[in-house]
Amino acid sequence: EVQLVESGGGLVQPGGSLRLSCAASGFTFSSHAMSWVRQAPGKGLEWVSATRGSGGRTNYADSVKGRFTISRDNSKNTLYLQMNSLRAEDTAVYYCAKAVDGYSYGNYYYYYMDVWGKGTTVTVSS
Amino acid sequence: QSALTQPRSVSGSPGQSVTISCTGTNSDVGGYNYVSWYQHHPGKAPKLMIYDVSKRPSGVPDRFSGSKSGNTASLTISGLQAEDEADYYCCSYAGSYTFVFGTGTKVTVL
Repeated sequence: EVQLVESGGGLVQPGGSLRLSCAASGFTFSSHAMSWVRQAPGKGLEWVSATRGSGGRTNYADSVKGRFTISRDNSKNTLYLQMNSLRAEDTAVYYCAKAVDGYSYGNYYYYYMDVWGKGTTVTVSS
Repeated sequence: QSALTQPRSVSGSPGQSVTISCTGTNSDVGGYNYVSWYQHHPGKAPKLMIYDVSKRPSGVPDRFSGSKSGNTASLTISGLQAEDEADYYCCSYAGSYTFVFGTGTKVTVL
């Protein structure tokens, strides 16, 4: 069974740091792009970041660029999100998702996210 | 990276059909055939319902269908059932290796 389990959420003060983890199982982790998506209280889903299977290409939403870093350890089947300089507006449930990607007419695309974890809650507050 | 526009809510009686619109721009919905739709029950993991505009993953009932015209994508739920009550989000590839989600629509089964 394909499964994603997030961990590492918690309460952190503004300006602080936190590292989220996502343990993957049931598929060949290194062959697939992965993504982080968040949902702030009372708000909709917001794409945060994505990385290719090899980890070579990483991309970020403007709202987190320069503060968050996505990485992966393919030997441990684990995806990470290092979050620095946290703000109150980063308070959210953070979901890890397996992304489907590929090439079309020579160009690389992210297509969709087909498997999701249940999320981990991050609260930024003093 | 502006969110795609969806209606805040739609509702229908059991057995009826409802359609959710998702409006973007030439840089996302209109520029690529990579629109997906997700069902989200509060407290649970989002679930992929439609990908590549109109394709259904295995296990998703054929009551769910997707389409696109220009900068607007649509999700139609035919034969509405009680378990379809949830939040629904569209999502599109938005260029430069990024995704953008819609604002979300709450579907209520009356």
